[in-house]
Amino acid sequence: QLQLQESGPRLVRPSETLSLTCTVSGGSISSSNYYWGWIRQPPGKRLEWVASIYYSGTTYYNPSLKSRTTISVETSKNQFSLKVNSMTAADTAFYYCARGILTVSRSFGWFDPWGQGTLVTVSS
Amino acid sequence: EIVLTQSPGTLSLSPGERATLSCRASQSVGSDYLAWFQQKPGQAPRLLMYAASRRAAGIPDRFSGSGSGTHFNLTISRLEPEDFAVYYCQQYVSSHGTFGQGTKVEIK
Repeated sequence: QLQLQESGPRLVRPSETLSLTCTVSGGSISSSNYYWGWIRQPPGKRLEWVASIYYSGTTYYNPSLKSRTTISVETSKNQFSLKVNSMTAADTAFYYCARGILTVSRSFGWFDPWGQGTLVTVSS
Repeated sequence: EIVLTQSPGTLSLSPGERATLSCRASQSVGSDYLAWFQQKPGQAPRLLMYAASRRAAGIPDRFSGSGSGTHFNLTISRLEPEDFAVYYCQQYVSSHGTFGQGTKVEIK
């Protein structure tokens, strides 16, 4: 059974960079049938897709966050990571990593499963 | 960006009743590019449906999905105590997937 686990700081100072890692267990991150993504959810608000990556390294970003965001993959460790620069209070959210399923036409599909999520608070 | 609007915001029902949740898209997402998730407090979202009407593995058949284009529904035929949660729809017709704001199903 595939499992994902986020790790990283719970508290980030304003203007600093957030670094999160997602460790995948129970399956290979190098499968060509899937992609990998980060989704965030400010407390009490809707989910927001942040970024996605294929095992090959091809990346896709939410346009609203693209200038501040970097997603990367390390296949040797079965991990993928997210960096968000210039953090502000508006970036306070639960951050989830998830496996993305490719559709039959090989386009982006739904996310399943998800990690348990980690709450990142931006505060001085 | 495709905007998804869910209604109602909150649905107050009793166990055993039928729940119908709506998800409307600002532009067509076809018939295969919509998913539904269930989220309980303190938990990650759990996939219920994909391709609008296909149940994910392990999801009971009291959950069903329908719709195409810009209007989709999630129906829970008879609410069980564990079904009281928040439900989100997600479109993935574009590489920039978006989610609805959620419908909370609460115990009446």
